[in-house]
Amino acid sequence: AQSVTQLGSHVSVSEGALVLLRCNYSSSVPPYLFWYVQYPNQGLQLLLKYTSAATLVKGINGFEAEFKKSETSFHLTKPSAHMSDAAEYFCAVSDLGAGGTSYGKLTFGQGTILTVHP
Amino acid sequence: EAEVAQSPRYKITEKSQAVAFWCDPISGHATLYWYRQILGQGPELLVQFQDESVVDDSQLPKDRFSAERLKGVDSTLKIQPAELGDSAMYLCASSPGQYNSPLHFGNGTRLTVT
Repeated sequence: AQSVTQLGSHVSVSEGALVLLRCNYSSSVPPYLFWYVQYPNQGLQLLLKYTSAATLVKGINGFEAEFKKSETSFHLTKPSAHMSDAAEYFCAVSDLGAGGTSYGKLTFGQGTILTVHP
Repeated sequence: EAEVAQSPRYKITEKSQAVAFWCDPISGHATLYWYRQILGQGPELLVQFQDESVVDDSQLPKDRFSAERLKGVDSTLKIQPAELGDSAMYLCASSPGQYNSPLHFGNGTRLTVT
C-alpha cells in the first residue's frame, strides 16, 4: 500500500526566505503525487501534481516540487516566502488500484504547518 | 470556478445522537469521496463512490456510519450514534474520474460531539 511521510510537522521561515517542505513516499508502482494547501477551517486546495511527465512540477503561487525516484521524494519549494503562504501543507499519493478504477483515492501525509515571520 | 458544496459548515451534537452531512459535487464529476480529518492529522478516506456505487468503504466504521449517493449526484454521510471520538472535520471531494484528475475539496463540516 502507498504511504507518505512528511518530515517536520512545523516549519518556520522569515518572509523572503526559501521554503522547503519535505515529502517521502512509498509505492510499489510509479506514483501520482500531489501537494495540497489548507487554510484554517477550509478545504484543501491543489498546489501541484506529478503524473509521470516532467520531474520538476510548477504549481500555483510560485510553488514547485521535484520528483526524485532514486530518493522516493517529492519536496515542495518556493524561493521567497510570503506572509500569505502561512498554512498547512499536505503531500498525497494516489492509489491507482486494479485496472486504474481506484484512481483518486489519495493517501495523505500528516501535514506540515508553515509559519512565516515578518 | 465550480465548487464542491457542503453543509452544514459546523455541527455540534451530543453523543448518542444522529448527525448527517450533505455534499454536492462539481457538476459532471462521477467520483465522490468522503474524508475525515482529525485535528492535527491528514485526511483519511472513509468512502469512495463511482456514480451511485460504492467502490471503497474499507475504512468506514459501518456499525455507526453510512453513506449514500442515490442518484449519482449529491451524497449524504450519516453517523448514528455519534461518539466523542467522531469529532473531526468531514471533507467531501469530487473528481471527473480520469486517471490524472486531481480531487476538488469542499470547505468541510466541522463536527463537535459533546
